[in-house]
Amino acid sequence: QKEVEQNSGPLSVPEGAIASLNCTYSDRGSQSFFWYRQYSGKSPELIMFIYSNGDKEDGRFTAQLNKASQYVSLLIRDSQPSDSATYLCAVNHNTDKLIFGTGTRLQVFP
Amino acid sequence: DTGVSQDPRHKITKRGQNVTFRCDPISEHNRLYWYRQTLGQGPEFLTYFQNEAQLEKSRLLSDRFSAERPKGSFSTLEIQRTEQGDSAMYLCASSLLKGGGTDTQYFGPGTRLTVL
Repeated sequence: QKEVEQNSGPLSVPEGAIASLNCTYSDRGSQSFFWYRQYSGKSPELIMFIYSNGDKEDGRFTAQLNKASQYVSLLIRDSQPSDSATYLCAVNHNTDKLIFGTGTRLQVFP
Repeated sequence: DTGVSQDPRHKITKRGQNVTFRCDPISEHNRLYWYRQTLGQGPEFLTYFQNEAQLEKSRLLSDRFSAERPKGSFSTLEIQRTEQGDSAMYLCASSLLKGGGTDTQYFGPGTRLTVL
């Protein structure tokens, strides 16, 4: 079992819709959870992080964490074609290295 | 631009040659990480430094790989006797870890290595 699992996609949503990206992790000791966006050929760009159960909102993005279910998600409201990218979920165990999933490719069509 | 820079951005080399990459972190950041990413995969951890001390190395980091961070500023990653399997994007990230805080890592643009 991989430590961090994501559906590889592609997830296709129409412009203006809500995109929902999901991630599960195996280590219950995980402390912090990160979402990065990666455009093709570019490096990962931090979107947001969360470490407490519940929701955390930042503009059009909302991260949701459920430690009991070992599940973290990212919602993107009012999706735009410019949001089309691969979204990487990453987990941090002891405030050191990040363990990444393989990413979910999001396609937002006009 | 996160403020993390990497050089070179692209490197093409022949199998068996040695290559060295450089990373300059955000100036006040005390931690520096190296990751490797291949097509269709997420970044994989290689090693990290806190100031000048190398605190952890992944089992992925064979004896052909060596990393340094002299004086706790920039870092270099050297690959000796390159193999075709070393072809990947090498990513550097830096963070400022304060007591009780979250270690938020910011990535540089990466160095794409192609081994022929």
